[in-house]
Amino acid sequence: KNQVEQSPQSLIILEGKNCTLQCNYTVSPFSNLRWYKQDTGRGPVSLTIMTFSENTKSNGRYTATLDADTKQSSLHITASQLSDSASYICVVRGHTGRRALTFGSGTRLQVQP
Amino acid sequence: GAVVSQHPSWVICKSGTSVKIECRSLDFQATTMFWYRQFPKQSLMLMATSNEGSKATYEQGVEKDKFLINHASLTLSTLTVTSAHPEDSSFYICSAQGSEQYFGPGTRLTVT
Repeated sequence: KNQVEQSPQSLIILEGKNCTLQCNYTVSPFSNLRWYKQDTGRGPVSLTIMTFSENTKSNGRYTATLDADTKQSSLHITASQLSDSASYICVVRGHTGRRALTFGSGTRLQVQP
Repeated sequence: GAVVSQHPSWVICKSGTSVKIECRSLDFQATTMFWYRQFPKQSLMLMATSNEGSKATYEQGVEKDKFLINHASLTLSTLTVTSAHPEDSSFYICSAQGSEQYFGPGTRLTVT
């Protein structure tokens, strides 16, 4: 069964600090992995996308890593801002078709002043 | 990036009534659109896949007669929640398949 597990479930950090979110998956075959940011009451917005051959991808203060051998990914947020408070969802694309995406349950990040 | 819109962004309706949610791809054509439901503090759950010009494919446990989906054009899919019940209160998100899958901003449905 395809699964995506994220940790921690929730995280509170102080503004300006760094943090790292984890994603482990068992999706096979593997096509790509995306990290999304979802603000409360909004739809997910893509932050990064990585394919099998990519180890790291950056988008501003967001840096994602992928280890396809161990099926692990991380999202590192540098110099956090209050606006980073949101849920971060790891989504893995596997086979084609309507069930191609497997969603993680997300990590809820709260950045405090 | 591509834009997907939803309307309304939030709606309150009484039990027993029906409510329609629209999903539009604004700058690309989407033969396939997806409808998700998200409960508080949970991730997105796929409800159905909408294909332009054909019947939608529903996931197990989703009642097709309750959640009517119409994908009438390459830029519009609608989800109608019929005979709404308080248990249907949720956040509904659509996505449209272009070069990748783009998500809409979501619709908050509250059934009183």
